[in-house]
Amino acid sequence: QKEVEQNSGPLSVPEGAIASLNCTYSDRGSQSFFWYRQYSGKSPELIMSIYSNGDKEDGRFTAQLNKASQYVSLLIRDSQPSDSATYLCAVNRPYSSASKIIFGSGTRLSIRP
Amino acid sequence: EPEVTQTPSHQVTQMGQEVILRCVPISNHLYFYWYRQILGQKVEFLVSFYNNEISEKSEIFDDQFSVERPDGSNFTLKIRSTKLEDSAMYFCASSEGRGVDYEQYFGPGTRLTVT
Repeated sequence: QKEVEQNSGPLSVPEGAIASLNCTYSDRGSQSFFWYRQYSGKSPELIMSIYSNGDKEDGRFTAQLNKASQYVSLLIRDSQPSDSATYLCAVNRPYSSASKIIFGSGTRLSIRP
Repeated sequence: EPEVTQTPSHQVTQMGQEVILRCVPISNHLYFYWYRQILGQKVEFLVSFYNNEISEKSEIFDDQFSVERPDGSNFTLKIRSTKLEDSAMYFCASSEGRGVDYEQYFGPGTRLTVT
């Protein structure tokens, strides 16, 4: 079982719609969860972090965490063409002395005009 | 806004050669990391570093790899004898602290090509 699983996509969403990205993780002791955006050939850019169950909103982005289901999601409202990228779900590895994070393989999101 | 910087942006080397990848973490950050991403694959943890010593390393980080903080600003990754399979993007990251609620910020990466 993969530690962090994401649907590879591509996920195609019309401009202005809501994009919904999902992630599951295997280690129930994981404590913090991150969404990074990665444009092709570029580095991961942190867009959201979430540590407790429920929703966290930041502008057009909402992260949702359900630890009981080991599930994290990212909603992007009013999707823009500039949101087209690969979205990486990342999980803090518990019991690690220096907060190593484990990445999923990413979901490729395409916003169509 | 403070950011992590990395040099060079692209390094081409021949198999068996030594390479040093350089990073300048965000100035008030204390924890430093190297990750790599082989083309088309996911980002993988290599090593974490704090207080001038390695905190944790992955299976990938074998004896061919080493890290160093030679001065107050730079953080380096050395590969002693490069192999073809070392070709990848190498990302440096830093965080202010080590607890679970400290976020890691990534540099732009160095593309290493081993021929």
